[in-house]
Amino acid sequence: ETGVTQTPRHLVMGMTNKKSLKCEQHLGHNAMYWYKQSAKKPLELMFVYNFKEQTENNSVPSRFSPECPNSSHLFLHLHTLQPEDSALYLCASRRTAGLAVTGEQFFGPGTRLTVL
Amino acid sequence: AQKITQTQPGMFVQEKEAVTLDCTYDTSDPSYGLFWYKQPSSGEMIFLIYQGSYDQQNATEGRYSLNFQKARKSANLVISASQLGDSAMYFCAMITLQAGTALIFGKGTTLSVSS
Repeated sequence: ETGVTQTPRHLVMGMTNKKSLKCEQHLGHNAMYWYKQSAKKPLELMFVYNFKEQTENNSVPSRFSPECPNSSHLFLHLHTLQPEDSALYLCASRRTAGLAVTGEQFFGPGTRLTVL
Repeated sequence: AQKITQTQPGMFVQEKEAVTLDCTYDTSDPSYGLFWYKQPSSGEMIFLIYQGSYDQQNATEGRYSLNFQKARKSANLVISASQLGDSAMYFCAMITLQAGTALIFGKGTTLSVSS
């Protein structure tokens, strides 16, 4: 149990569907992240939230919409996705201590998304 | 530019042998941290070991050790006495003050351990 949970674990959706991925952490961390992991590609950082404020949007298409209502919860709202968006979506959290470069990111188990 | 390079797409090792997974990094930031993660086929990323740029000694965690060579900008992971359960994808990652709060990951190395 890493303390970071993600639901659902698997999701199949059509291109016209709207769905949401949920991430929850109970570690008291203040930073939360969405990553996309496609086959044979490195992890791609999508969004970063620090103290509920979005601090990074890594040129992600608008069909992905993040939401961070509090430091413990992070959502990724999906709409009109494309088949190439099929991937493993990983959520992570971390305690950031000012300018420190310590503190590992804790990852959730991921949501494996298939877009038909 | 901040970058992590893992040049070994796949590595094969027999049980009980040691294996070294290579990682080189690029940053001009004097303050940085280096991480290794393991990702089994289930998909979850498992933190293994951390090395800070100012740490004088190489990090060790059980069977994992990090061979940190600062001048060469390398941070290789050494797994001693490999086990079948070590078969997984391994990612090297870095965080710097310039990169902000997110880790930068390499492409990963697939390790296969056979009996």
